[in-house]
Amino acid sequence: KQEVTQIPAALSVPEGENLVLNCSFTDSAIYNLQWFRQDPGKGLTSLLLIQSSQREQTSGRLNASLDKSSGRSTLYIAASQPGDSATYLCAVWTGSARQLTFGSGTQLTVLP
Amino acid sequence: DADVTQTPRNRITKTGKRIMLECSQTKGHDRMYWYRQDPGLGLRLIYYSFDVKDINKGEISDGYSVSRQAQAKFSLSLESAIPNQTALYFCATSVITSGETDTQYFGPGTRLTVL
Repeated sequence: KQEVTQIPAALSVPEGENLVLNCSFTDSAIYNLQWFRQDPGKGLTSLLLIQSSQREQTSGRLNASLDKSSGRSTLYIAASQPGDSATYLCAVWTGSARQLTFGSGTQLTVLP
Repeated sequence: DADVTQTPRNRITKTGKRIMLECSQTKGHDRMYWYRQDPGLGLRLIYYSFDVKDINKGEISDGYSVSRQAQAKFSLSLESAIPNQTALYFCATSVITSGETDTQYFGPGTRLTVL
């Protein structure tokens, strides 16, 4: 059974800092890995999707990397802003299970 | 207008009541999903449907049932609600773009409280 872990559970940084969120998964037989953002009272928004054959994806100030063999992904946020404050979740699509398995998320607070 | 809508957004009910949560989408996607989220936990899959005639149990289907009334509508029912079903419920849709890759689009969620 696929298990996804995110560390740390919560993170508070001052505005302008670069930061890294971590995600690890137990079964490396994945098709893709996705990073989502969740704002209070709202649904999840997909930020980046990395195919199993890819090493990284970039969107604006966000960069996600994937090391499938070691079961790890990182989400790098450059020059953080208060508007980046949210919960970030990673999820992996495991083909045999035909479903996404989510981590419990990292709650990020960027202080002005 | 939102592509994935959920009704109601909030619901408080009592133990033993039957509850239906509804999800509608205008994205034209074949695949639809129901998840629940509990504090400190990630989303867990309840049921999923890859088309109108294909419905599958997820990780935590006990105590729930679903109905796929049309491509655009997927409802989740709690036949007899119990307090540990208090959670935030999300509907999602997706479509295969290449191979097994698909990006999921989420509704805003329904906060359900069972007293």
